[in-house]
Amino acid sequence: EVQLVESGGGLVQPGGSLRLSCAASGFRFSSYEMHWVRQAPGKGLEWVSYITTSGSTTYYGDSVKGRFTISRDNLRNSLFLQMNSLRAEDTAVYYCMGGVHFWGQGALVTVSS
Amino acid sequence: SYELTQPPSVSVSPGQTARISCSGDALPKKYAYWYQQKSGQAPALVIYEDGERPSGIPERFSGSRSGTMATLTISGAQVEDEADYYCYSTDNSGNHWVFGGGTKLTVL
Repeated sequence: EVQLVESGGGLVQPGGSLRLSCAASGFRFSSYEMHWVRQAPGKGLEWVSYITTSGSTTYYGDSVKGRFTISRDNLRNSLFLQMNSLRAEDTAVYYCMGGVHFWGQGALVTVSS
Repeated sequence: SYELTQPPSVSVSPGQTARISCSGDALPKKYAYWYQQKSGQAPALVIYEDGERPSGIPERFSGSRSGTMATLTISGAQVEDEADYYCYSTDNSGNHWVFGGGTKLTVL
């Protein structure tokens, strides 16, 4: 059974940092490009970041470029999102997505003082 | 920046055909993907590469693309198909992915 489990969410103050993790199982993680997607409360889906299978190439949405960093560890079947200089508008449920097929259940990130 | 445009809402009666459109300038060259999100749940893939259906997705779900428009069709919509639907694709460079704004499907 395919599983993607996000962790590391929580409450953080504006300007703070947080690192999200996504543990993958049930599929060949190293063969899949990965995405982070977020959804602010009551809003639609927003693409955040993308990483190739090897991790050598990464792309970011304009709203997070320069503040967020995506990475992966294929030996540990894990995906990461380092989030710095967080803002109130980064408050959202963050999902990891395997290829374009598999989704995790999401991790809530709340940026508030 | 690149955008995909969807209608905010579509409403049909049970058994009718629902069509949800998604328009974008890069769609002639880039695949469209469709996700269903029911209230309080994570999204789920219902159509990939314009018109392919993942295993477990009912046959009433189909997808097509013509020029700059992709369309998700639900033939004989059921009450359980009520959800938000999002299209997903990339710009021409392939460097930026984008979701459409989402379409709320009502079946009643």
